[in-house]
Amino acid sequence: GAGVSQSPSNKVTEKGKDVELRCDPISGHTALYWYRQSLGQGLEFLIYFQGNSAPDKSGLPSDRFSAERTGGSVSTLTIQRTQQEDSAVYLCASSSRWGGRTDTQYFGPGTRLTVL
Amino acid sequence: SQQGEEDPQALSIQEGENATMNCSYKTSINNLQWYRQNSGRGLVHLILIRSNEREKHSGRLRVTLDTSKKSSSLLITASRAADTASYFCATDSSGTSYGKLTFGQGTILTVHP
Repeated sequence: GAGVSQSPSNKVTEKGKDVELRCDPISGHTALYWYRQSLGQGLEFLIYFQGNSAPDKSGLPSDRFSAERTGGSVSTLTIQRTQQEDSAVYLCASSSRWGGRTDTQYFGPGTRLTVL
Repeated sequence: SQQGEEDPQALSIQEGENATMNCSYKTSINNLQWYRQNSGRGLVHLILIRSNEREKHSGRLRVTLDTSKKSSSLLITASRAADTASYFCATDSSGTSYGKLTFGQGTILTVHP
């Protein structure tokens, strides 16, 4: 079946602009995650969704970052007033639950964000 | 913050040789996963090993887990040029039930034809 998809694949924006990044998880996966990969920080967890709720937002770096998920499916990560340090690859992953726990996470191809 | 430490940071070998990468972590885990990344984009899942398992195989991949030493290793046998990529270990810590992953810094593997 189809894997996790993300759009856009690349986004170049000017400092101060808002951006929206989209993630379509694997159909039927109730768990959805956002991670960020940057040169200085490696791969970092941002936020976790179970269904439409986000029990863990602890990785969001500032209040300029927000995310939502609708219909237990598509998720959007929004960055307001972008800064140059927001430049990174933003990765989305989804997972099913097995025995009350989540299992293998399947990642999308990522969105490369460049803030000029 | 990064939980995992991987070594080596970079590994260069010839086609046909075996490649071994190591990962150490700090907290108790539910499972440990290995991923491959080509050209800095999406992560491809390779193998998951649970905390009660000691060894798993998948094709040319062999993963071991030693929870007493908080370490894991990934062995790729008979490497191919197509195995050239970055390899990451990621841990699902015991403190949560929802699979938040903490990644190591990764090992860059180069396989020369």
